[in-house]
Amino acid sequence: GENVEQHPSTLSVQEGDSAVIKCTYSDSASNYFPWYKQELGKRPQLIIDIRSNVGEKKDQRIAVTLNKTAKHFSLHITETQPEDSAVYFCAASILTGGGNKLTFGTGTQLKVEL
Amino acid sequence: DAGITQSPRHKVTETGTPVTLRCHQTENHRYMYWYRQDPGHGLRLIHYSYGVKDTDKGEVSDGYSVSRSKTEDFLLTLESATSSQTSVYFCAISESRGSPLHFGNGTRLTVT
Repeated sequence: GENVEQHPSTLSVQEGDSAVIKCTYSDSASNYFPWYKQELGKRPQLIIDIRSNVGEKKDQRIAVTLNKTAKHFSLHITETQPEDSAVYFCAASILTGGGNKLTFGTGTQLKVEL
Repeated sequence: DAGITQSPRHKVTETGTPVTLRCHQTENHRYMYWYRQDPGHGLRLIHYSYGVKDTDKGEVSDGYSVSRSKTEDFLLTLESATSSQTSVYFCAISESRGSPLHFGNGTRLTVT
């Protein structure tokens, strides 16, 4: 089955700096790559996703890039703010009639310091 | 928030007892999923459903069963709870096979 590795496990940045989180996946058939943000004690919430026919996607301060050849994808957060502090999870799946069965990375604890 | 309600929100139970967690949705979405979240493991898929009475196993299905008799309800049963099943359980829904997953608020289960 699919295996998703995520790095780093913790990341500390100064407010206003950029943060980059990287993930690799094992199954070349994977075609859907979302990113979730989870605040302490809360549910994971989708922040951005990308499909395999797109190399990059942006939404305000957040961007995701995908390199299908190398089987890795990254989350970029620019101009970080204290409210960006949370755990971020990447995931991958193969979209089929059976649904969107996501395999998650182990998470990155992002801390934005003032 | 997506219309997903998980119950109970917290539960403490003893080893060997059966436990059922409920996920209720008001979105009429076809797909429903159960994940567990443990430190160092992220979220792992237990079971999922692609329609009423249509379910299948995920990555960590041993010791769990599910049922979906109505579109809106997806039940997760721990047949005989063990301490290794202490976890936070999240239900998720998606509208179609290409749609994102939206998660419920989770159930924290402690097995003593």
